Order: sequence, then structure tokens, then C-alpha cells
Amino acid sequence: QVQLVESGGGVVQPGGSLRLSCAASGITISNNAMHWVRQAPGKGLEWLAFIRYDGSNENYADSVQGRFTISRDNSKDTLYLQMRSLRPEDTAVYYCAKDLARIYPEYLQTWGQGTLVTVSS
Amino acid sequence: DIQMAQSPSSLSASVGDRVTITCRASQIINNYLNWYQHKPGKAPKLLIYATSSLHGGVPSRFSGSGSGTDFTLTISSLQPEDFATYYCQQSYTFPWTFGPGTKVEIK
Repeated sequence: QVQLVESGGGVVQPGGSLRLSCAASGITISNNAMHWVRQAPGKGLEWLAFIRYDGSNENYADSVQGRFTISRDNSKDTLYLQMRSLRPEDTAVYYCAKDLARIYPEYLQTWGQGTLVTVSS
Repeated sequence: DIQMAQSPSSLSASVGDRVTITCRASQIINNYLNWYQHKPGKAPKLLIYATSSLHGGVPSRFSGSGSGTDFTLTISSLQPEDFATYYCQQSYTFPWTFGPGTKVEIK
């Protein structure tokens, strides 16, 4: 079965850090650009970050620039999102998504089921 | 950043109805417009990419059209499994942005 599986979510205090992982199963993501998207409770989808297939280029939403870092390990077919200086407004379900393309992103072809991050004291 | 607006924000419809959702970008995005379906607790699904191309496995009752700044998603005959929230998204430039969503509910 082709799927992306996120993990690493949980409860963290404001100012804390967390690293999310996204593992591919039944597919390989090493030839695809990848993204992270989130959905805060009761809100819509928010795109967060992009990385090229080889990790040579990244791009971020203003809301997470400088706090979040997207990375990948193609030998493990895994995508990561390192989150630092977390705020209560970062509370959301975090999704990873596979792009059709390798270099110039086109669309979010396949999504994971998401992992919940709660930032609260 | 490019702002995406959707209308309506929600709608009630019956099985078999024709449903149209509109999306407007704050600037020209050519045909870099995608549509996604999202059900609670599930992974979002790609429906339409590049304005009008149907993603593999998506029923043909879904269609997309538009150009420039104005786009439309149409469901020709609403089915029970189509009740969900629909989002448009521009991939013209970073940061990518989504519309606020249109919730399609059962009448």
C-alpha cells in the first residue's frame, strides 16, 4: 500500500522543540520534492515548507521561517521537520506530502494521515 | 503573498445536485491552481491539478476550469462520499497558499 506515515507529534511546552518524521511505505520519495502542511484546530490548510528531491533547495512560510527546518534522508526514504521555539499557535495536525516533481514543485500528489502537535504549558 | 479566496464558505446540497465552488487569486497565477478534498481525520486528497487536469483515480464527475485569477471546481452529480471540505491552492510561487475552504454538507 502506497502511503506516507508521519510520527513524532505530541505535547510540548511553549519554547520547546520537536522533530517530526515522515516515512514512505510502498513508495520511494527519493526522487520527489516534498512538503509539510498543517491544519490548526478549526482552521484550514496552511503550507509550511518545501524541499527538493536532493535537499538542494528549501522554502518556508513566513510563519515558520527561522524556527522550522525541513530536511530529508533519501537513504531512509524519510522526510523531517525540526521545529524549534514552538508557540501555542503552532498547535495543529502536521501533514507531509509528496510532490509530483523533483525540482520545480507542481502539486501535492500524495499526503500522509498527519500527526498532532500540541503546544501547551 | 498571493491571497486565495473561495466562495461559498459552505453549502448544503442533495445527492445528485450539481455543485460549483469558485476560487479567486489576488494576482494572476496562470493555470497553477490545484483542488483538494479533505474529510475529518483523513489525509487530504488531490482532485484537480493545473486548473483542469483530473488526478488519477478521481471520478469524472469532478472537473475544474478557469484562468488568470478566477477558477471553478464543479461536481456534476454530488455523491454521498463527496461531502467534505474543498480547498483550492496556488502553486505559482512560494509561499504556496490555500483558500479558506468550502464545506459541502448534506441538505
